[in-house]
Amino acid sequence: GENVEQHPSTLSVQEGDSAVIKCTYSDSASNYFPWYKQELGKRPQLIIDIRSNVGEKKDQRIAVTLNKTAKHFSLHITETQPEDSAVYFCAALANQAGTALIFGKGTTLSVSS
Amino acid sequence: DGGITQSPKYLFRKEGQNVTLSCEQNLNHDAMYWYRQDPGQGLRLIYYSQIVNDFQKGDIAEGYSVSREKKESFPLTVTSAQKNPTAFYLCASNRGDFYVTDTQYFGPGTRLTVL
Repeated sequence: GENVEQHPSTLSVQEGDSAVIKCTYSDSASNYFPWYKQELGKRPQLIIDIRSNVGEKKDQRIAVTLNKTAKHFSLHITETQPEDSAVYFCAALANQAGTALIFGKGTTLSVSS
Repeated sequence: DGGITQSPKYLFRKEGQNVTLSCEQNLNHDAMYWYRQDPGQGLRLIYYSQIVNDFQKGDIAEGYSVSREKKESFPLTVTSAQKNPTAFYLCASNRGDFYVTDTQYFGPGTRLTVL
């Protein structure tokens, strides 16, 4: 079945720097890759997603890139701010579990001012 | 995601007891999911349901049970057979369409602690 690996597990940056989180997936049939942000004690919130027929998607300071051949996708956050500090999860939609998402283990991003 | 509610927010259980976590949605979603979250482990799938009266085991279903008698509700029972039930439990839902971008929305979660 699908397996999603996420790196790094922790990431510390200075305010204004860029942050990049990378994920790899194993099932070439996966076709949907969302990213969620989770603040301490809160529910995960979708911040951006991408379908397999698109290579890149941007939304203000965040962007996601997808390389289907290499089976990896990345989250890019530019001009980081302290409020970007949270745990970020990547996920993949694979068809061995209905429409359930398979998640990476998360990256704790800390942005210091 | 305000259309998904979970209760209670905090739950304490004694060893050997079964407890049931509630999940309700008013988004008219067909598919519902239960995930377990432990520190450093991400979100792991317990059970999912694509339609009323049908549900399937996820990766870590042992010691858990569910029902889906109504479209709006997908309760999770943590049984005494679950060896380490202390965790944060998240319910989610979406339309359940594999071929379109179908955002999965999460409830606020229930934190279960075994005493």
